[in-house]
Amino acid sequence: KQEVTQIPAALSVPEGENLVLNCSFTDSAIYNLQWFRQDPGKGLTSLLLIQSSQREQTSGRLNASLDKSSGRSTLYIAASQPGDSATYLCAVEGNNRLAFGKGNQVVVIP
Amino acid sequence: SAVISQKPSRDICQRGTSLTIQCQVDSQVTMMFWYRQQPGQSLTLIATANQGSEATYESGFVIDKFPISRPNLTFSTLTVSNMSPEDSSIYLCSVGRGREKLFFGSGTQLSVL
Repeated sequence: KQEVTQIPAALSVPEGENLVLNCSFTDSAIYNLQWFRQDPGKGLTSLLLIQSSQREQTSGRLNASLDKSSGRSTLYIAASQPGDSATYLCAVEGNNRLAFGKGNQVVVIP
Repeated sequence: SAVISQKPSRDICQRGTSLTIQCQVDSQVTMMFWYRQQPGQSLTLIATANQGSEATYESGFVIDKFPISRPNLTFSTLTVSNMSPEDSSIYLCSVGRGREKLFFGSGTQLSVL
């Protein structure tokens, strides 16, 4: 059974600092890994999708890397802004199953 | 991409009652997925809803408690029946699988008193 862990569970950073969020998974036989953003009490918005054959994906200030062999992904958010405050979840798809982490809860302090 | 309208966005319900959550997608999709997110926990798949057939439930979830309808390729409902405080969660519908982006509804935050 795929287990997805996100560390740290929560963090606060001053505005302008770079954010580094980590996701690890136990089974490296995956199709893809996806990062989502969730605002309090709301649904999920897809940020980046990395296919298993890719090493990274970038969108604006966001960059996500994938190291399948070590079972890790990292989401970098450059020059954080208060509007980046949210919970970030990673989800791993493999073997027709989708497994989510519990999320990294981020607060960016103005 | 897909846009999913989910309602209600939140509700406060009494123990023993039922709530039906609706999801409308702006395009035809084969499968729709219903998730539960308990406080502080990750998302758990409740069931997969296919048009024209019975929903497929995950271990720990049963049709009597979470009946699902899928009358066409753009709409689905999830009912949370005979609610107890343990059912207080965010419920989410989703579309998109098979190595592609996932799209989620805005979620239904349910509180059971």
